[in-house]
Order: sequence, then C-alpha cells, then structure tokens
Amino acid sequence: QVQLLESGPGLVKPSETLSLTCSVSGDSVSSGGFFWNWIRQPPGRGLEWIGYVSHTGSTNYNPSLKSRVTISIDTSKSQFSLSLSSVIAADTAVYYCARASRRWGASGPGWFDPWGQGTLVTVSS
Amino acid sequence: IVLTQSPGTLSLSPGERATLSCRATQSISSSYLAWYQQKPGQAPSLLIYGASTRATGIPDRFSGRGSGTDFTLTISRLEPEDFAVYYCQQSGSLPLTFGGGTKVEIK
Repeated sequence: QVQLLESGPGLVKPSETLSLTCSVSGDSVSSGGFFWNWIRQPPGRGLEWIGYVSHTGSTNYNPSLKSRVTISIDTSKSQFSLSLSSVIAADTAVYYCARASRRWGASGPGWFDPWGQGTLVTVSS
Repeated sequence: IVLTQSPGTLSLSPGERATLSCRATQSISSSYLAWYQQKPGQAPSLLIYGASTRATGIPDRFSGRGSGTDFTLTISRLEPEDFAVYYCQQSGSLPLTFGGGTKVEIK
C-alpha cells in the first residue's frame, strides 16, 4: 500500500528556511489523478492546509502562506518537498505530507489519504 | 470556506451514540466533504469522503450525511477505540480547509 514519510530538520532558527521532504513508496508521484500535499498542525491545535503539487508540477498554495511557500516534486526519486521561508515561532508545528485524490467530477484535490506520520518542526533560536 | 464544528468536546460513555456537526459558511457539494479521525500522537486518518462514503476498512457504526452547509458524522455505538478528535474538511473550493475539530472523550 502507499506510504508517505516526512524527513527534515526538527529545529529551525527564526528567519531561516524550513525544508522538508516527503518520500512516497508503493505508488509513484508521477501517476496522474493525485495531488501531493503538505498540511501542518501547531501543538494542541487544528489542521491547516499549506498547499499541493501535482504530478505535472503545477502548484497551489494557501493564501495565508503563499508568499513564503514553495512545493516541488522530484518524480525520479518519488519525492516532493516543502520550503517555508522566513519562519517565525508561529510556524512551529507537526508537518504532514498527504496524498489527495482528484475530486469527483471535477479538477483539483479532494480528500486526503494516506497521510505521513508527521514530523515536528520547532522554530527557535 | 470556514467550517465550524460543534460541540468542541463531547463527553460520552462506551456504547452511546455520538453526533458531530460540521457547518460551512457557504454551500458545498456533498461530494466535497470528508471526515477524519485523529488519535493522540498520530496523523489523522480518513473516515468518510463524499459526505457519506466510508473509507476502506471503516466499520459501519460510522456514518455521515448532509448537504449544503450542514453535515453530520454519527458514531452509532462508541467503542473504546473511537475516543479521539474528529475533523471535517472541504474541497469545494480552494484553499482547502478543515473544521476546528470535535473531541470525543470518555465520560
């Protein structure tokens, strides 16, 4: 079955760039019909969608983070990555990668399944 | 689209029925509403998509319904493993959004 696994530094200094990678096994990120997403969850709080990349490399970001976010895909490694610049303490969260199926009867992502296990990133000097 | 879940916390005993609400600030096609379960220290997992279709392996005590702006997740008889936080999520328009969650706790 499809499995996703996040990797990257657990500690990032304020004003620096957070970089995470999601490795996908059991499926190919180049297969059509899916969108590859990043979602985050601050400690004790709810879920926030960050954005997605498709197998073609097209992206869409949450407007709340758009100026600081880049999501890219590497089909040769079956990976996709998140870059979040100029981080502040409020960016401290568990970061999840997740696959989204295409919406029924329309373009764009629908529901998220599966999810990676998540990785905690703390922003602190 | 903002999703508001209520109640914030639901205190129930095993065997009881749980009814969770998710209300949207604008109408969503029922095809674009999903529910997730999250246990402590774990990633969320998909329960229901298309408002009422159970994901693979989800027992039939979980059911979803709704349309327009009002959606409901029902757990017919709570099992010990069902005590968790539940989130709704919409994909009717970008940005994709989640509700704030409902915690189902043991009374």
